[in-house]
Amino acid sequence: SQQGEEDPQALSIQEGENATMNCSYKTSINNLQWYRQNSGRGLVHLILIRSNEREKHSGRLRVTLDTSKKSSSLLITASRAADTASYFCATPLYGNNRLAFGKGNQVVVIP
Amino acid sequence: EAGVAQSPRYKIIEKRQSVAFWCNPISGHATLYWYQQILGQGPKLLIQFQNNGVVDDSQLPKDRFSAERLKGVDSTLKIQPAKLEDSAVYLCASRRTGFNTEAFFGQGTRLTVV
Repeated sequence: SQQGEEDPQALSIQEGENATMNCSYKTSINNLQWYRQNSGRGLVHLILIRSNEREKHSGRLRVTLDTSKKSSSLLITASRAADTASYFCATPLYGNNRLAFGKGNQVVVIP
Repeated sequence: EAGVAQSPRYKIIEKRQSVAFWCNPISGHATLYWYQQILGQGPKLLIQFQNNGVVDDSQLPKDRFSAERLKGVDSTLKIQPAKLEDSAVYLCASRRTGFNTEAFFGQGTRLTVV
């Protein structure tokens, strides 16, 4: 089954620094999505990038997509303590929209 | 717009007992997912519905898990009998029809099997 794999798995940074995490996938996609999960809560959608897009911004988030390398990156600029969470990439399969998630990145922002 | 509602939030049961989870998706969302998330891992898809039909249940342990979505709206996920390894958070999500749409998640049900 198709599944995103995030790298690195855990990241600890100081408030104000940038956090970058990567995701790789295995088969062709029509979009890639990033989600955030705060401890003990459900997942919240952050950003969706389509297969024909290379870069997308949303507030302090910047996502890139390289379909030739089957990889994506999520950059959080000027991190805040509230950004402490797990971040997951997800890819829907063609045909049935099955949404498969990776293992996630645990990001800790130290005030 | 109301979000995805799930209940209960927490459940503790003994092994071999049965349990049921309920999900009310966002109105108009044809796609509904149930995920199992074990602590420290990513969500694992258990079953996907499109309206009231099953699209994908390849990872559902059918000997003990069952799910239904009556009238293409609310859904229930049942475990019978539960095992210790079923301890996890069960997440429900819904999504509008279309490839380039995001999923909306409920808060999840945290199940502890003792």
